[in-house]
Amino acid sequence: GQQLNQSPQSMFIQEGEDVSMNCTSSSIFNTWLWYKQDPGEGPVLLIALYKAGELTSNGRLTAQFGITRKDSFLNISASIPSDVGIYFCAGYLRNSGNTPLVFGKGTRLSVIA
Amino acid sequence: KAGVTQTPRYLIKTRGQQVTLSCSPISGHRSVSWYQQTPGQGLQFLFEYFSETQRNKGNFPGRFSGRQFSNSRSEMNVSTLELGDSALYLCASSRGRPGAQETQYFGPGTRLLVL
Repeated sequence: GQQLNQSPQSMFIQEGEDVSMNCTSSSIFNTWLWYKQDPGEGPVLLIALYKAGELTSNGRLTAQFGITRKDSFLNISASIPSDVGIYFCAGYLRNSGNTPLVFGKGTRLSVIA
Repeated sequence: KAGVTQTPRYLIKTRGQQVTLSCSPISGHRSVSWYQQTPGQGLQFLFEYFSETQRNKGNFPGRFSGRQFSNSRSEMNVSTLELGDSALYLCASSRGRPGAQETQYFGPGTRLLVL
């Protein structure tokens, strides 16, 4: 099935550092969604993107819908310990009819205080 | 507005048994999707329901089934449990019909352990 390539798979950073992660595909997407999942919980929506080039912020988080519609990135500024978790990108393919959301495999973020 | 709720949160079963998981979507949401999440496979789509009808189905065996009620609440059932069915089962709801490509909101999940 369709795959989203999410990178990096994991990252260890110092508290206060900025973080960047991205998702790429060979296919074109209409919508990009970024979720964060804490251990034992369900994914929580962070940012939704609907137009190519769109740049949206949610507090210290900023995400962009790539111009080619084949990629998206998420930045976290000035990381804090509660940013620890797994970040997932997800998207709806263009002209996909009834195709469900496609998910990346996640980026596991660890923050060292 | 209350979020997506799932019951039970944790469940332990033995091989061969069957299990039913429940999901209540956000009020006003009519689509419910189910996912299986395992460390090795990530999030895998099970099925999607809208207006009490299954509108989309992932690549899972027939042991996995579901249904949706008139109030949009949904249940999924797994029969003849196998060890490999141990996973976090997530339910997500969205407002409109499948194909509308709307944002999905997840519940906390049901952690199923099969012994």
